Amino acid sequence: DQQVKQNSPSLSVQEGRISILNCDYTNSMFDYFLWYKKYPAEGPTFLISISSIKDKNEDGRFTVFLNKSAKHLSLHIVPSQPGDSAVYFCAANRGRGSTLGRLYFGRGTQLTVWP
Amino acid sequence: DTEVTQTPKHLVMGMTNKKSLKCEQHMGHRAMYWYKQKAKKPPELMFVYSYEKLSINESVPSRFSPECPNSSLLNLHLHALQPEDSALYLCASSQDRGSDEQFFGPGTRLTVL
Repeated sequence: DQQVKQNSPSLSVQEGRISILNCDYTNSMFDYFLWYKKYPAEGPTFLISISSIKDKNEDGRFTVFLNKSAKHLSLHIVPSQPGDSAVYFCAANRGRGSTLGRLYFGRGTQLTVWP
Repeated sequence: DTEVTQTPKHLVMGMTNKKSLKCEQHMGHRAMYWYKQKAKKPPELMFVYSYEKLSINESVPSRFSPECPNSSLLNLHLHALQPEDSALYLCASSQDRGSDEQFFGPGTRLTVL
């Protein structure tokens, strides 16, 4: 039962343009959302997060938008750089009860930024 | 020190071997996690330790045995593994179990022959 979905397995963007990675979720009890970036043979690196009480969070070139009514979030990278090429995982957290501490991951989107 | 370290980086073992994976963090985090990740798949949670006590076991086979000797260390003992257990094993930590961000180590690439 995939509660967090990333429907695009790959995205290719030219350097300097905007990259938009999308994520959908089904569980309305999720209250915190995270994006992780992963290079081959490395562990995921935390990138940016957003609480369900917000609709936008910005950190440098990275902005995450949350649309609770649509159960949708997106990660915008502007401008995209070749070093951003990696797999991006969306994850969600339900901060209470027996599932406390459990992150639900999407399957990831491979972003390729070409010069 | 703001990182999670894991040893070894690579491990090849036979199905009759006994080996251990190690994870260490010095960020004062009180929750630690083991994940398993297969190629082109998301990380799958295996175990969660909170204040050195096992709090989540995601129905993992007994050939995987976690241990938390102290608040900085987390081990995963392996015995009688199967070739399908070959994967990247990731350790993560967070401030406590209710914290939102988890910080991952680089992983141990395990191959079972």
